[in-house]
Amino acid sequence: DIQMTQSPSTLSASVGDSVTISCRASQSINTWLAWYQQKPGKSPKLLIYKATSLESGVPSRFSGSGSGTEFTLTISSLQPDDFATYYCQHYNTDPYTFGQGTKLEIK
Amino acid sequence: EVQLVQSGAEVKKPGESLKISCKGSGYNFFMYWIGWVRQLPGKGLEWMAIIYPDDSDTRYSPSFQGQVTISVDKSINTAYLQWSSLKASDTAMYYCARPRRYGAGNAAFDFWGQGTMVTVSS
Repeated sequence: DIQMTQSPSTLSASVGDSVTISCRASQSINTWLAWYQQKPGKSPKLLIYKATSLESGVPSRFSGSGSGTEFTLTISSLQPDDFATYYCQHYNTDPYTFGQGTKLEIK
Repeated sequence: EVQLVQSGAEVKKPGESLKISCKGSGYNFFMYWIGWVRQLPGKGLEWMAIIYPDDSDTRYSPSFQGQVTISVDKSINTAYLQWSSLKASDTAMYYCARPRRYGAGNAAFDFWGQGTMVTVSS
């Protein structure tokens, strides 16, 4: 199985900051990677698919990059609504595993 | 409007069986795979399994193979996740989700159910 490792596990930032979350795959997944946002008590929400494509309705301050085994999610100019937990997920070959999550906290 | 509506919260005892459901609407149900994702209390997301309603083609994570069974009834646009003998360690929120590309299991999940909380306690 392909393992997904996110870093950091927790990230503290302020409104207006730009932050980057990393996700590493244990083997190449081309660009078969998604990023999700989850708020407490809510279902996950798709932000980015195919590593760099922004899901419809998602603000443009969210962006994704990477290919192969190294990926990043960048959130520029953090808004209060962005403080949540973020997960990467590969969908190269099943099982389509998730990273362990990165909790973005208000500093 | 695409919707996935899951059945309500369940409280069961260890050893009991359980079947939870996920009803799709607003799209051609049989054309899109349906996946199941577990979230233990306070923990991350775990991909469990996925099924294609049109022919019931099914893929399981090795972590969940033999522990759960997924199925569909495409006549009523509903997918199911079931246990034959629950354990306390099955206590979790379970989500169903739909990949964003029809006919493709290998796609990001763009629509999610609201989740079904399963509590297993003696």
